[in-house]
Amino acid sequence: AQSVTQPDIHITVSEGASLELRCNYSYGATPYLFWYVQSPGQGLQLLLKYFSGDTLVQGIKGFEAEFKRSQSSFNLRKPSVHWSDAAEYFCAVGQNNDMRFGAGTRLTVKP
Amino acid sequence: NAGVTQTPKFQVLKTGQSMTLQCAQDMNHNSMYWYRQDPGMGLRLIYYSASEGTTDKGEVPNGYNVSRLNKREFSLRLESAAPSQTSVYFCASRGTNQPQHFGDGTRLSIL
Repeated sequence: AQSVTQPDIHITVSEGASLELRCNYSYGATPYLFWYVQSPGQGLQLLLKYFSGDTLVQGIKGFEAEFKRSQSSFNLRKPSVHWSDAAEYFCAVGQNNDMRFGAGTRLTVKP
Repeated sequence: NAGVTQTPKFQVLKTGQSMTLQCAQDMNHNSMYWYRQDPGMGLRLIYYSASEGTTDKGEVPNGYNVSRLNKREFSLRLESAAPSQTSVYFCASRGTNQPQHFGDGTRLSIL
């Protein structure tokens, strides 16, 4: 069965520190992969996507993610976190109309 | 640059009342979706419409109906609201081989 796991419900990092949010998936074929960010009271905004090609993808706001087929993972990274990055982050996996979302990771940024 | 517009933004209903959530997109997308978001569960697909004139059930369709009124509009109806349907509802649309674009959500409370 298709599923998406974000193992960390809540992560706290200091401003300026590096960040990695984990995403693992189970899917029958090679899926499309996405990371979205949600600020309180807002909808989901696309950070980056992977369809094919280079397994390291760059997104908006200085984020990047790496697709590792052997590990069924698509982890999100940022070298230096800003206070404005505090939000909830969702990994999504699928193809066309079959899209599955992880439960989300809430990021808190300490001053 | 409206994107995906959802109305209303907030609503409180009593058990047994009916209501229609509206969604419109101005990006000429073929596919449209309705999700519900509950704490710790990510987004779950209620219904989707792959093109004008078609609708299909998603993961959690019970208690809901949808109408794809035209290419722009996709509405979600609760015929007899139940407290278990208290949630945040998101509409999304997608172009061919593109990621989904989300509205800002409708926060629905059922007493």
